[in-house]
Amino acid sequence: DAGVIQSPRHEVTEMGQEVTLRCKPISGHDYLFWYRQTMMRGLELLIYFNNNVPIDDSGMPEDRFSAKMPNASFSTLKIQPSEPRDSAVYFCASRTRVLGETQYFGPGTRLLVL
Amino acid sequence: AQSVAQPEDQVNVAEGNPLTVKCTYSVSGNPYLFWYVQYPNRGLQFLLKYITGDNLVKGSYGFEAEFNKSQTSFHLKKPSALVSDSALYFCAVRASGNTPLVFGKGTRLSVIA
Repeated sequence: DAGVIQSPRHEVTEMGQEVTLRCKPISGHDYLFWYRQTMMRGLELLIYFNNNVPIDDSGMPEDRFSAKMPNASFSTLKIQPSEPRDSAVYFCASRTRVLGETQYFGPGTRLLVL
Repeated sequence: AQSVAQPEDQVNVAEGNPLTVKCTYSVSGNPYLFWYVQYPNRGLQFLLKYITGDNLVKGSYGFEAEFNKSQTSFHLKKPSALVSDSALYFCAVRASGNTPLVFGKGTRLSVIA
């Protein structure tokens, strides 16, 4: 299996621009998670989906952030408009619904907003 | 509510010496406990987990962890540290049921040659 796939791996954009991060979970996984990692705040859970349905988005920082999962093999995290404080590494992770199953992470997207 | 504490931001150990990275947790019911490692500019990589059974769990790269229910701890250990073990280590817990993992803040391990 290719594991969790994220694109792009790096993104540099200017403040005010729209940014779209993409994730392909491991085939057969029921849960998909979006995290953000910064030096100051550590690893934060932004939102997670079960069977393509958003379950908890309480970690999404503000309305500029939105996430979708149109099907079982694709999810996007969008920031519009982007701000310099959004600069971080964004991780996608997935797992099955089997209790105790391991959660697997993608390689991350390093976002820099100038 | 679930929570994880990693009391040490940084652990330094000499190569060849045993290492311990500490983790304590708080959860209602039986916990599912995990350790992940993150190398520079990489995603989190699964090391080992405790679900049930033997309290001593063995994982990748010679790491092991001991589940201690009375102390609510799940410390990560390795008998002989390698320079290549230098990385950021995360402990995580999930209660029974399909709730999200809750991660600790991470402990940076530095193994000095």
